[in-house]
Amino acid sequence: AQSVTQLDSHVSVSEGTPVLLRCNYSSSYSPSLFWYVQHPNKGLQLLLKYTSAATLVKGINGFEAEFKKSETSFHLTKPSAHMSDAAEYFCVVSDGRYGNKLVFGAGTILRVKS
Amino acid sequence: GAGVSQTPSNKVTEKGKYVELRCDPISGHTALYWYRQSLGQGPEFLIYFQGTGAADDSGLPNDRFFAVRPEGSVSTLKIQRTERGDSAVYLCASSLNGVLNEQFFGPGTRLTVL
Repeated sequence: AQSVTQLDSHVSVSEGTPVLLRCNYSSSYSPSLFWYVQHPNKGLQLLLKYTSAATLVKGINGFEAEFKKSETSFHLTKPSAHMSDAAEYFCVVSDGRYGNKLVFGAGTILRVKS
Repeated sequence: GAGVSQTPSNKVTEKGKYVELRCDPISGHTALYWYRQSLGQGPEFLIYFQGTGAADDSGLPNDRFFAVRPEGSVSTLKIQRTERGDSAVYLCASSLNGVLNEQFFGPGTRLTVL
């Protein structure tokens, strides 16, 4: 079965500084990987997805992630944090017979200080 | 356009009672998913519908949980003889079809079993 591990449960950055949220995956085949964001009292929103095309994936709101097979990693980055980025972020891998079952990591809560 | 909607937004019940949670997917989406998110954890897959049929129900924890989608649109998640451990946020998602399309999530139903 596929799985993901988010290496930090909480990350705190100052506004305007870079963001790095770390994720490692475990997969027996070439995976499809995603990052979702969950703002308080709002639904999960897709930030970006990797499906075996370009290894550097650009998403919404200035976020990007790089798929590194040799390191089994899919870290999420943003050059400059904004207050509105404060939320919980989930690294996700697809699994199941049809590849539709999403397997979520435990989440990383991002705090942005002014 | 309208997103995925879920009703009720909150449900409080007593141990042993029966509950039904409803999901209205985005119009035209043939794939529908249920996930469960316990406090401090990422969502966990429960079941996936393609049209009216359950294509993958491997995530249902036991036979107290059942879900239907009789007309290929609205879905109902049914929980019999609720237990305190069933307390969680139940999330519904839909996608255009079942092939790695983006899953759009609803706001969830928070179930509390006293």
